[in-house]
Amino acid sequence: DAGVIQSPRHEVTEMGQEVTLRCKPISGHNSLFWYRQTMMRGLELLIYFNNNVPIDDSGMPEDRFSAKMPNASFSTLKIQPSEPRDSAVYFCASSLRTGPSNQPQHFGDGTRLSIL
Amino acid sequence: SQQGEEDPQALSIQEGENATMNCSYKTSINNLQWYRQNSGRGLVHLILIRSNEREKHSGRLRVTLDTSKKSSSLLITASRAADTASYFCATDRNDYKLSFGAGTTVTVRA
Repeated sequence: DAGVIQSPRHEVTEMGQEVTLRCKPISGHNSLFWYRQTMMRGLELLIYFNNNVPIDDSGMPEDRFSAKMPNASFSTLKIQPSEPRDSAVYFCASSLRTGPSNQPQHFGDGTRLSIL
Repeated sequence: SQQGEEDPQALSIQEGENATMNCSYKTSINNLQWYRQNSGRGLVHLILIRSNEREKHSGRLRVTLDTSKKSSSLLITASRAADTASYFCATDRNDYKLSFGAGTTVTVRA
């Protein structure tokens, strides 16, 4: 089984530019999560989708961040315009939610984003 | 916010020794999960222990859960160089979120 696939693995861009991160979850999973990891703040949940519908985006830092899940096999996280403080590793994770409790999440290898 | 807090923050051991790390949390949970993160990689699920379980084993891993103390421990026996990684506990409070701690960085010296 292929795991969660994220692209690109690394992204370096100048502030003000638009950044788009991509994620392909594990086939059959119905829950998708976007996280951001920094040394200062650890792992932060940005947004959660269930059955392609955004359920909770309260972790999205500000309006510059947006996420979409047009179908069960693809999601994007967009930052426009990007700022140096957005530099972090962004992870996508997926899981199969069949009841009230959380099943293990499967993480991609992340996108290391550097905004100059 | 981080509900799980791992202790210690960092641990250095000799190959073959055991490594123990602890996780404390604040509110009642449905289950608790442990994850490993190798440098430059995503988190990998290791083990899940439900709130009505006290101990669980998986290979060289042993996890305990004490809901009265709101704490869990992860023991790695006979450590290997490949166990060098950061280890995170994550609590499931019966909603869709997992709350991750800040992690314990384990270094296994050859």
